Formats: sequence, C-alpha cells, structure tokens
Amino acid sequence: QKEVEQNSGPLSVPEGAIASLNCTYSDRVSQSFFWYRQYSGKSPELIMSIYSNGDKEDGRFTAQLNKASQYVSLLIRDSQPSDSATYLCAVRNGGATNKLIFGTGTLLAVQP
Amino acid sequence: DVKVTQSSRYLVKRTGEKVFLECVQDMDHENMFWYRQDPGLGLRLIYFSYDVKMKEKGDIPEGYSVSREKKERFSLILESASTNQTSMYLCAIMTSSSTDTQYFGPGTRLTVL
Repeated sequence: QKEVEQNSGPLSVPEGAIASLNCTYSDRVSQSFFWYRQYSGKSPELIMSIYSNGDKEDGRFTAQLNKASQYVSLLIRDSQPSDSATYLCAVRNGGATNKLIFGTGTLLAVQP
Repeated sequence: DVKVTQSSRYLVKRTGEKVFLECVQDMDHENMFWYRQDPGLGLRLIYFSYDVKMKEKGDIPEGYSVSREKKERFSLILESASTNQTSMYLCAIMTSSSTDTQYFGPGTRLTVL
C-alpha cells in the first residue's frame, strides 16, 4: 500500500462546477497535510495546508481533513479552466524528520 | 515572498559526465530538499539538509551526493550521470519547522544522453 494515494484521473468537470479531489494516507500519526497545484512543466505551488480535523477555507478552495478515516480532500468551487492542473497531496508523518510524502497527483481538467 | 532559484531550467549532459545542480534561497532557512519527479512515480526525495554541512539520505540517494557549504546554497551532484537519471529535479525549502511548509524552486529538466 502506498503511503499517500490519489486517483490519477483525469478528473473532468465543467466550468463553474465543484471539483472534488481526494487523498488517503496510511500513517495514522500524520500531523500535517498539504495540497499543491502543478501546471504542466512547472514546479508545484502550495495551495493549502491543514493540520486539524474539519474544513479550512481559502477563497474558492476548501481543504477537508478526517484523521479518523485518514482522508484529506480539496474542493474547488466555481472551477475555472485556469484550475486545470495536477493536484498533489502531501503528508508529513509523525516522525521527527521534516520529510513530506507526496501522492502521485490527480490531473484536473476543467472544460469551458 | 519565499524565493528559491535553481541554476538551470534545462540541462543536457552525456552519460558519465559529472553534473552539478544548484539551489539557492534568499533567506536563512535551515531545511532544504532535493526531489526528482518522474511520470507515474511522483515526487521522490533524494537528499535533504537541515543545516550547513548536515545532510540526510532520502528515499532514493543512490547515484547522487549533495553539498551544503553555505546556508543559502544546496547542491545536488551526479557523480557519473546515467540515462536513468533523466528527470525533473526540484529543490525545496522549508520556511519553518513549526509550519513545515515546503516551497519549491522552478525545477531543472535534466536529460542524460
């Protein structure tokens, strides 16, 4: 079992819809969770971080964390074609190191 | 704003060459990381450093070494480049251990012929 799992997609949504991206992780003591957006040929850029159970909202983005289910998700409201990218989930496990474990990413395609 | 720069966006080298990839940050951040990214395999950690002259192996250190002589600069070295090291190389810094957020440089696309 991979430590951080994401559906590779592509996830296709129409413009204006809600895109829902999901991520599961295997380390129960994981403490920190991140979502990155990566455009083709570019480096990942941080969208959201979340550390406690529940929802965290930033503009059109909402991160949701459920530690009991070992599940973190990203919702994108009013999706735009410019949101088309690969979204990477990253998890810092409970150890003493500062390492992040990345999922392989979900490709999101927003159709105009 | 966090600024991380990498020495080259694109690099083409021949098998057996020694290759240096440099990463420079403009602040005093202690933690720096080198990843490679390949289709279907995602981001994989090669090495990281938590201070000057301090380094730790990541998940795939074989064929690589690193150097951190100054706090702002973290170098990745391919002692003898091979075709299976063709990849996108990404440097990242962590701004604070308390927030453990990593920010990435623009990446270097390395092709080994």
